[in-house]
Amino acid sequence: GAVVSQHPSWVICKSGTSVKIECRSLDFQATTMFWYRQFPKQSLMLMATSNEGSKATYEQGVEKDKFLINHASLTLSTLTVTSAHPEDSSFYICSAAASGTGLTEQYFGPGTRLTVT
Amino acid sequence: GNSVTQMEGPVTLSEEAFLTINCTYTATGYPSLFWYVQYPGEGLQLLLKATKADDKGSNKGFEATYRKETTSFHLEKGSVQVSDSAVYFCALSGLSGNEKLTFGTGTRLTIIP
Repeated sequence: GAVVSQHPSWVICKSGTSVKIECRSLDFQATTMFWYRQFPKQSLMLMATSNEGSKATYEQGVEKDKFLINHASLTLSTLTVTSAHPEDSSFYICSAAASGTGLTEQYFGPGTRLTVT
Repeated sequence: GNSVTQMEGPVTLSEEAFLTINCTYTATGYPSLFWYVQYPGEGLQLLLKATKADDKGSNKGFEATYRKETTSFHLEKGSVQVSDSAVYFCALSGLSGNEKLTFGTGTRLTIIP
């Protein structure tokens, strides 16, 4: 149980275009989802925290207008990278957490590798 | 604020060697502590966790003990295998899974036959 999926697993896009990444909790309802960014050979950097039905909370230094997060349902959150540039190329990882269900940890998706050319 | 300091890698060991990856933390209150593992090409998986002082988390032969007096959560395994090659992340958060995780920088472990 407690599986989180991400789609797509990898994507290549041209500079200036927008890319949407989906994060789904497959067998539980995620009241909170987190979006991370991981640079090569580095740790995960939390970008934002989203709660279902409310606006995401962005970490300091993360551009909210560039990284649009929507958590429209208890099983789906999306991250849209708008007007992507090569420096946005990275590995994006989501995690999902549930409350009141006995699930007391975050469950991570497999990640999405974004390459902007 | 919260922070996690983790032993820098990369670490290369021979099969059946003893492994220790050091992790210390700074936090207010009483955080939960975690070790996550990331195998090549995959996402993070929870390896083990401890939620209070003196708790020992264990899984797949790995162990880590929550030491409040030294603010440490060192990862150990008595005999590593090639399949343990991965990146290991130490992390902390509040008790609830809905609280954000603070990660260490990760330690890349390579086990050679």
